[in-house]
Amino acid sequence: DTGVSQNPRHKITKRGQNVTFRCDPISEHNRLYWYRQTLGQGPEFLTYFQNEAQLEKSRLLSDRFSAERPKGSFSTLEIQRTEQGDSAMYLCASSSQGDTEAFFGQGTRLTVV
Amino acid sequence: AQSVTQPDIHITVSEGASLELRCNYSYGATPYLFWYVQSPGQGLQLLLKYFSGDTLVQGIKGFEAEFKRSQSSFNLRKPSVHWSDAAEYFCAVGTPYNNAGNMLTFGGGTRLMVKP
Repeated sequence: DTGVSQNPRHKITKRGQNVTFRCDPISEHNRLYWYRQTLGQGPEFLTYFQNEAQLEKSRLLSDRFSAERPKGSFSTLEIQRTEQGDSAMYLCASSSQGDTEAFFGQGTRLTVV
Repeated sequence: AQSVTQPDIHITVSEGASLELRCNYSYGATPYLFWYVQSPGQGLQLLLKYFSGDTLVQGIKGFEAEFKRSQSSFNLRKPSVHWSDAAEYFCAVGTPYNNAGNMLTFGGGTRLMVKP
């Protein structure tokens, strides 16, 4: 296993369109996190899964955002009716129960035009 | 709620010079503290972390950081910077009192440039 994998790496979409990103965590990791990073800022926590259960959601996760992890393995993050303010890098991270470190993927950079 | 401040947005040092990146946090108890590095267009790589015990922690690539409770600080240091250290550095805080332990609050980052 080479680490956390995110697809696509880059996505350009028109305002109002829906987009979906995928994250494949390290295979034995049961915890998965999504963060958003806007240009010049640090990452901000969006949501957290333990296995298939979504246990935490940030107030940043508006009703246009939805995340799933149906079988406790890969996860998807969908943004509906994209806005220019959604342009950012979306980072996924994973860890095992009891781990003190989360491993990050390379991110998906979204540009809304 | 916890917060992290990295006062220096940009720092430029000469190759071979020493480096110190500042990080101040706000949290009611002893947090988990992390330093990550991010190269352009890449994800985050953990440099080092502090949970408890010895307040001086060693990390990868020759970095170290010191936890100072009285100053609520966790500054990152390196005795001699290499050109390959040019990147963005993020300090982060995690709390031991949630289910995840890895839900991190990040500072705004410090961009390090290295002069030849």
